[in-house]
Amino acid sequence: SQQGEEDPQALSIQEGENATMNCSYKTSINNLQWYRQNSGRGLVHLILIRSNEREKHSGRLRVTLDTSKKSSSLLITASRAADTASYFCATGMYSGGGADGLTFGKGTHLIIQP
Amino acid sequence: KAGVTQTPRYLIKTRGQQVTLSCSPISGHRSVSWYQQTPGQGLQFLFEYFSETQRNKGNFPGRFSGRQFSNSRSEMNVSTLELGDSALYLCASSFGLATDTQYFGPGTRLTVL
Repeated sequence: SQQGEEDPQALSIQEGENATMNCSYKTSINNLQWYRQNSGRGLVHLILIRSNEREKHSGRLRVTLDTSKKSSSLLITASRAADTASYFCATGMYSGGGADGLTFGKGTHLIIQP
Repeated sequence: KAGVTQTPRYLIKTRGQQVTLSCSPISGHRSVSWYQQTPGQGLQFLFEYFSETQRNKGNFPGRFSGRQFSNSRSEMNVSTLELGDSALYLCASSFGLATDTQYFGPGTRLTVL
């Protein structure tokens, strides 16, 4: 079953605008990660935020995490055509119980219009 | 440093056949995880191998199996293929845990007819 749920499912904006996508999850986590996927290819890791962190930046990316609301947001500033892709949040929870792996949401499809 | 590689990139099989997919992790990474991606179910964790041992397993039937070799290369096998096994199979490697940052390969697109 999916742990994370991204919102919106699809987003279309003009080049240069900011894009915000949200992720909600259901259980406790150690970390939350964001990945990008272009046209059904492999995923590229963007950023990891740990459960004791509230905000993290990487270049044009800003991620926030609110563990009390079990939600995260990814902000991409000054969007470019090359940012067109699907974005997935994934939660990681280490339990040592033999079923540990990342749990992905269904993704937000972002389209940047030139 | 070379990235994660997967072979073959595309595969077409018929129902009832079996298939083996291969993955070479980033040099130095000992953890290799496999994921299945379908339009309906999204990305789902299959299993993770570390030091030639299956360390973690997702909720998939026993038809899905894997192994890891001493050089950390991994193979995934699916027996008695079903139409619903058509998917993009992604391999990922990491230095540590299956829940750490994962470095994904380009995937193998499996079509079952």
